[in-house]
Amino acid sequence: ILNVEQSPQSLHVQEGDSTNFTCSFPSSNFYALHWYRWETAKSPKALFVMTLNGDEKKKGRISATLNTKEGYSYLYIKGSQPEDSATYLCARVNAGNNRKLIWGLGTSLAVNP
Amino acid sequence: DTAVSQTPKYLVTQMGNDKSIKCEQNLGHDTMYWYKQDSKKFLKIMFSYNNKELIINETVPNRFSPKSPDKAHLNLHINSLELGDSAVYFCASSLRDRPENSPLHFGNGTRLTVT
Repeated sequence: ILNVEQSPQSLHVQEGDSTNFTCSFPSSNFYALHWYRWETAKSPKALFVMTLNGDEKKKGRISATLNTKEGYSYLYIKGSQPEDSATYLCARVNAGNNRKLIWGLGTSLAVNP
Repeated sequence: DTAVSQTPKYLVTQMGNDKSIKCEQNLGHDTMYWYKQDSKKFLKIMFSYNNKELIINETVPNRFSPKSPDKAHLNLHINSLELGDSAVYFCASSLRDRPENSPLHFGNGTRLTVT
């Protein structure tokens, strides 16, 4: 994997459903993995930053895991609510002097009431 | 208190003009960024400054010139605006060497429309 890839590209779920999506990235030269939530007409807001293999982070109904050896991270949303509707972006931070972020294209989540 | 503030929020101008977008952060961060949201809603890095020094300069036309007078400010000046410059521009900041607790904090964006 040369770039950061997110799947699925879009997702429609019913209120109350639990869901998850994937961020895949190159495992070499890894420094950190970021997850952001981006609502329409607003700016991206950080959810999690993870650095260590096996990291798990949780914020309310949203949680994330990290596998740096195989190069993937999962984002889980438990009991989706309409206000969870947004685009979820992941970004991989390269090790090295410039700490460049490589962004995925996002997963667009729509939660139907 | 707004952590990362950028002005103006909207900017409508004609081709050929020169314009600036200002960005300020009050988080004590040492690294600031300019991103362009392209037509596919994708975030593309333009520039990154760490303590007033340029550390990332992607393939951006020379018409775009960032200026960082201090580590709390990163302004973007654009000369000879073109139609293709129309986009939403986001400023962001972070702490460079603290990845475990330093995600990017974004401003609210500046929607530039070139007519």
